[in-house]
Amino acid sequence: DAGITQSPRHKVTETGTPVTLRCHQTENHRYMYWYRQDPGHGLRLIHYSYGVKDTDKGEVSDGYSVSRSKTEDFLLTLESATSSQTSVYFCAISEVGSEAFFGQGTRLTVV
Amino acid sequence: SQQGEEDPQALSIQEGENATMNCSYKTSINNLQWYRQNSGRGLVHLILIRSNEREKHSGRLRVTLDTSKKSSSLLITASRAADTASYFCATDVEGAQKLVFGQGTRLTINP
Repeated sequence: DAGITQSPRHKVTETGTPVTLRCHQTENHRYMYWYRQDPGHGLRLIHYSYGVKDTDKGEVSDGYSVSRSKTEDFLLTLESATSSQTSVYFCAISEVGSEAFFGQGTRLTVV
Repeated sequence: SQQGEEDPQALSIQEGENATMNCSYKTSINNLQWYRQNSGRGLVHLILIRSNEREKHSGRLRVTLDTSKKSSSLLITASRAADTASYFCATDVEGAQKLVFGQGTRLTINP
């Protein structure tokens, strides 16, 4: 949808292992976001980027890091996965003052 | 805590009736956006209203914004079964370059 792809779409990993989720866009949008969605919490912002190498923390950033070395890619890394990070992760892109376009989501299970 | 709080958390109405959802937020905004999410899917943008606008229409959707009360409402007229989904408001926070979502309203349209 709208030139945004998340990979992988599903992943099961063990507690304590590092995990990297990838968001790739073909729209050349400036802003990229990572959210997690859990029942009862809606979407919570983890990290976001407003340009290459320009990133900032959201409201639930502990345990997560991000990198954006190219306009089109925004990586989310769980440094040492925990069961509390089991969630559905969404990437989104936008331009200044405009609507966001979302990827299809990555379902991550930490066992 | 999240920027946007939505009310009600769940709403069930009969097909053909109107549905109203409310969103309150805490800080100054550039714009406020409404999204729809069908079960298990990514979010889809519905409508964007800028901070200097008070009302906006798109098809069967009507959005109002009251910046003095830091609140917005989404009205869906003549509801259809296909409108069954979760609806989220999101605020483009002024000075912060980030998009923050509320917890959402789960809307069920009964045939």
